[in-house]
Amino acid sequence: GQNIDQPTEMTATEGAIVQINCTYQTSGFNGLFWYQQHAGEAPTFLSYNVLDGLEEKGRFSSFLSRSKGYSYLLLKELQMKDSASYLCAVRDQDYQLIWGAGTKLIIKP
Amino acid sequence: TAGITQAPTSQILAAGRSMTLRCTQDMRHNAMYWYRQDLGLGLRLIHYSNTAGTTGKGEVPDGYSVSRANTDDFPLTLASAVPSQTSVYFCASSDGGTDTQYFGPGTRLTVL
Repeated sequence: GQNIDQPTEMTATEGAIVQINCTYQTSGFNGLFWYQQHAGEAPTFLSYNVLDGLEEKGRFSSFLSRSKGYSYLLLKELQMKDSASYLCAVRDQDYQLIWGAGTKLIIKP
Repeated sequence: TAGITQAPTSQILAAGRSMTLRCTQDMRHNAMYWYRQDLGLGLRLIHYSNTAGTTGKGEVPDGYSVSRANTDDFPLTLASAVPSQTSVYFCASSDGGTDTQYFGPGTRLTVL
C-alpha cells in the first residue's frame, strides 16, 4: 500500500529552527508537496520538490531524497504565526496526490 | 480574483437527506478535486475531474457523486447522507504546470 509518515506533533520556540520530516512509500513518484494549514482554514501551498536537493524560499526550505523516500521542511526564525499543521503529499505514478496526516507545529514564546 | 469559493460554509444535515456542496473557481484551471478531511487522517480524495465533461473516482467515492458541466463549477452531491459523512470538505483546482493544487475555504458538514 501507499503510505506517508510524518510526526503527529512538534513543539518549538519562537526564533528557533525546526525540521519536519516526511517519509513515503508510494507507487511511483512524480513530485512532493508541502502545504501549511492553520486551524479551521484551507491548506495553502508552500513548496514543491521533484529533483533531489534543497529548495529555499525565504524562511522555509524543503529537501528531497528520492532514493531514501524522504523529505523535510525546514522553518527558520520561527514566528508565532507559524503555528499550524504542515502536510506532506506525494504524487504517485497515476498523478494522484497521497497525503500524510500532517504535523501539528506548536510555537512557544 | 476570488480563486476558489465553496458554499455553504457549514451545514447540519439530517441523515437520509440529500445535499449538494458547491465549488466554483475563476482561475480557468482544468483539473478540480473534492477531498474530505477527518481528524487524524490525511486528506482523502473523493472524486476528481481532469477537464470539463470528465470525472473520476478517488479513494473514497461511495455515497458521493459529481458533475463537471463547465470549467468553473464542480458540485459534490450526497444522495442520502449518513453520519459517517460528517467531515470537512475541501474543493481544489490545479494549474497545468506542476499541477499544484489550490484549495477553497472548505465546508464543514455535520450529519445527524
